[in-house]
Amino acid sequence: EVVMTQSPATLSVSPGERATLSCRASQSVRTNLAWYQQKPDQPPRLLIHGASTRATGVPARFSGSGSGTDFALTISSLQSEDFAVYFCHQYDDWPRFTFGPGTRVDIK
Amino acid sequence: EVQLVQSGTEMKKPGESLTISCKTSGYVFVNYWIAWVRQRPGKGLEWMGMVYPGDSDTRYNPSFQGQVTMSSDDSKTTAYLQWSTLKASDSGIYYCARGGVRYTDDNWFDPWGQGTLVIVSS
Repeated sequence: EVVMTQSPATLSVSPGERATLSCRASQSVRTNLAWYQQKPDQPPRLLIHGASTRATGVPARFSGSGSGTDFALTISSLQSEDFAVYFCHQYDDWPRFTFGPGTRVDIK
Repeated sequence: EVQLVQSGTEMKKPGESLTISCKTSGYVFVNYWIAWVRQRPGKGLEWMGMVYPGDSDTRYNPSFQGQVTMSSDDSKTTAYLQWSTLKASDSGIYYCARGGVRYTDDNWFDPWGQGTLVIVSS
């Protein structure tokens, strides 16, 4: 099983600042990596797939990068609606998909 | 618009059986995998498995193999997740989500259903 780790567990950021979230896979997942945003009492929402492709309707302040085992999600200028939990998800290891434990982004 | 609408909250006792549903619309149901994901209160996401409605092919996370059954009804464009014997540890929110087209690498999950809360308690 591919084990996904995310860091930090919690990131405290002021509105308008830049946030960078990390995700690491225990073995290469190529670019088969997605990022999701989850707000309280809501289902996850796809932000990024293919490591760097924004999903439809996702603001340009969200960007993804990386390949192999190391990935990052960057939010260039945090807005109030961006405070949430972010999960990475590898879908390379078929059919044993796994998620990271999440990074909570909260207001500093 | 692609939509996945799940059945409502369930309160059950240990040992009971349960089936929850995921009604889809807005796309060709038989062409995409449907994934099921569990989220325990305050916890992360666990991929449980997937069903391919086109031929009912199913793939399970070994942690859930034998504990649940995934199925689909093409005529209703609906996927199902079933337990024959619930345990208290099955409590959580269960999400369905559309995966990719078969034989492709495009297995990100989008969109997701709103979730079904399952509470198992004596």
